[in-house]
Amino acid sequence: AQSVSQHNHHVILSEAASLELGCNYSYGGTVNLFWYVQYPGQHLQLLLKYFSGDPLVKGIKGFEAEFIKSKFSFNLRKPSVQWSDTAEYFCALNTGFQKLVFGTGTRLLVSP
Amino acid sequence: IAGITQAPTSQILAAGRRMTLRCTQDMRHNAMYWYRQDLGLGLRLIHYSNTAGTTGKGEVPDGYSVSRANTDDFPLTLASAVPSQTSVYFCASSERENTEAFFGQGTRLTVV
Repeated sequence: AQSVSQHNHHVILSEAASLELGCNYSYGGTVNLFWYVQYPGQHLQLLLKYFSGDPLVKGIKGFEAEFIKSKFSFNLRKPSVQWSDTAEYFCALNTGFQKLVFGTGTRLLVSP
Repeated sequence: IAGITQAPTSQILAAGRRMTLRCTQDMRHNAMYWYRQDLGLGLRLIHYSNTAGTTGKGEVPDGYSVSRANTDDFPLTLASAVPSQTSVYFCASSERENTEAFFGQGTRLTVV
């Protein structure tokens, strides 16, 4: 069965620090990968997605993620975080078999 | 364009009562989903529908039922609510089963 692991449950950074959130998945076939963000009190919004092609994908608000097939990873990065990036971040996987599977999320707190 | 509309926004429900959470989308998406979000567990899929007239069970379907009579609506019913169903419920839709999902604002349900 497909699954997604996010090992960092809570991350605290100062503004301007660099961010990398880990995401590993378990599935042997073709995958579609996503990062979603949930700002406090709001619904999930898509940050970026990978379907095929260039493994380095760029999303909104300066975020990017790199798909490394050999490591089953899709880590999220941002060179310099802002206070407004405080949110919960979810990695998700879709293999085409009806369902989008989410990781347990990483709560990011950026201190000003 | 409203996207996905969920109702109610929040609800306090007595245990044993029946409750239907409503979800309507205006994007003509084929696939729709219901997730519950619980602290530390991320989002877990309850039920899904790939197209009108079909439904399927997700990761945590027990105690919930869904129907998909048309493309736009995907109600979630709790036949007899229990306190463990206290959660935030998100409805989502996607154009197809393997594309990104768009989420509603959520319904916060408390079963007492």
